[in-house]
Amino acid sequence: KNEVEQSPQNLTAQEGEFITINCSYSVGISALHWLQQHPGGGIVSLFMLSSGKKKHGRLIATINIQEKHSSLHITASHPRDSAVYICAPRNYGGSQGNLIFGKGTKLSVKP
Amino acid sequence: EAGVTQFPSHSVIEKGQTVTLRCDPISGHDNLYWYRRVMGKEIKFLLHFVKESKQDESGMPNNRFLAERTGGTYSTLKVQPAELEDSGVYFCASSPRTGLNQPQHFGDGTRLSIL
Repeated sequence: KNEVEQSPQNLTAQEGEFITINCSYSVGISALHWLQQHPGGGIVSLFMLSSGKKKHGRLIATINIQEKHSSLHITASHPRDSAVYICAPRNYGGSQGNLIFGKGTKLSVKP
Repeated sequence: EAGVTQFPSHSVIEKGQTVTLRCDPISGHDNLYWYRRVMGKEIKFLLHFVKESKQDESGMPNNRFLAERTGGTYSTLKVQPAELEDSGVYFCASSPRTGLNQPQHFGDGTRLSIL
């Protein structure tokens, strides 16, 4: 079983829809990144959070440390949001700061 | 501020050859991480430098991989000799200082193809 599980693996939405991507992890963590990777492109860190909720534009990330669960929400989705979204907790027990990664959720937003 | 830069963006070599990947972190970032994604799998940690010292190299797959960070600035990752299973995308990330809650900044990755 992977230490980080994301769902769904693939998601197709219509423009304007509200989107939720979920992440569950089994290890102790200090913080969690949500990353975005466009096709053929590099990785961008959208959020790093260790508790509660963060909001940036149409993106909202929440985390519940006790339940070992985090969610990424996209409001009023747009085709430019199409990308792979990766949940990456910061492993508390490993090297100070190294991340462990989910397999990613491939999001496609249709106009 | 320049971001994390990686070179080359894509490398195609034959099995048995040697390849060296380079990562230039954001200036002043003490922490430098190497990760890789092989086909169909999730991204995995390879190693972590704090300045020029290897903090953790537990993710290095075998002794064909050698990472260096002389002077604590840029880092190189050499694969010698390359094998087919080394194909994948190698990412570098940096963060400003040691601490559990410093965000990591990623490069665009180097796509390595072994033929």
